[in-house]
Amino acid sequence: DIVMTQTPLSSPVTLGQAASISCRSSQSLVHSDGRTYLSWLQQRPGQPPRLLINEISNRFSGVPDRFSGSGAVTDFTLEISRVEAEDVGIYYCIQATQFPWTFGQGTRVEIE
Amino acid sequence: EVRLVASGGGLVQPGGSLRLSCVASGFSFRNHWMEWVRQAPGKGLVWVSHINSDGSSTNYADSVKGRFTISRDNAKDTLYLQMNSLRAEDTAIYYCADIFSDCWGQGTLVTVSS
Repeated sequence: DIVMTQTPLSSPVTLGQAASISCRSSQSLVHSDGRTYLSWLQQRPGQPPRLLINEISNRFSGVPDRFSGSGAVTDFTLEISRVEAEDVGIYYCIQATQFPWTFGQGTRVEIE
Repeated sequence: EVRLVASGGGLVQPGGSLRLSCVASGFSFRNHWMEWVRQAPGKGLVWVSHINSDGSSTNYADSVKGRFTISRDNAKDTLYLQMNSLRAEDTAIYYCADIFSDCWGQGTLVTVSS
């Protein structure tokens, strides 16, 4: 199985400052079709998850442009350029390149 | 409005069974892959199972393989998860979802305890 490792597990940030979350996979996430199925989800307290980014860097409909994704092969990053209060929550990466699909452990973003 | 409504959770003894249902509305359910994802209390997300759009292909996490069965009835716009031989570690909120269309149910709580 592909293991997804997120760092840090907790990220205290100041409002308006940037936050960065890393996600590393134990194997290449490049699918045989040439695409890389790495996504980022946000889970606010008490709510189901919400899709932020598909295929490394494609922002989902309605997601603010302060969220961006980058990376390739086994190393990926989610960046929040200017953290707002509504961004508090837990962020997960997920790989859907190979079954079983696997999530990272989650990174808690909180306001300092 | 796109909606997924999950039901069927509850308290069950170890070794028991439950069947979760998830009714879809507001979108063309029959054209979408669907997943079950679970979250134990205070823990992270865990992918459980996948089914393709016509139900001909399924996949499972190792932890549930042989015990859980995912299925769907496209005529009823409904996704199912049959859970047998339940264990305490299966205790979680179970979400039905089309993850990559950002469509999630509200979750249904399964508690396995004697």
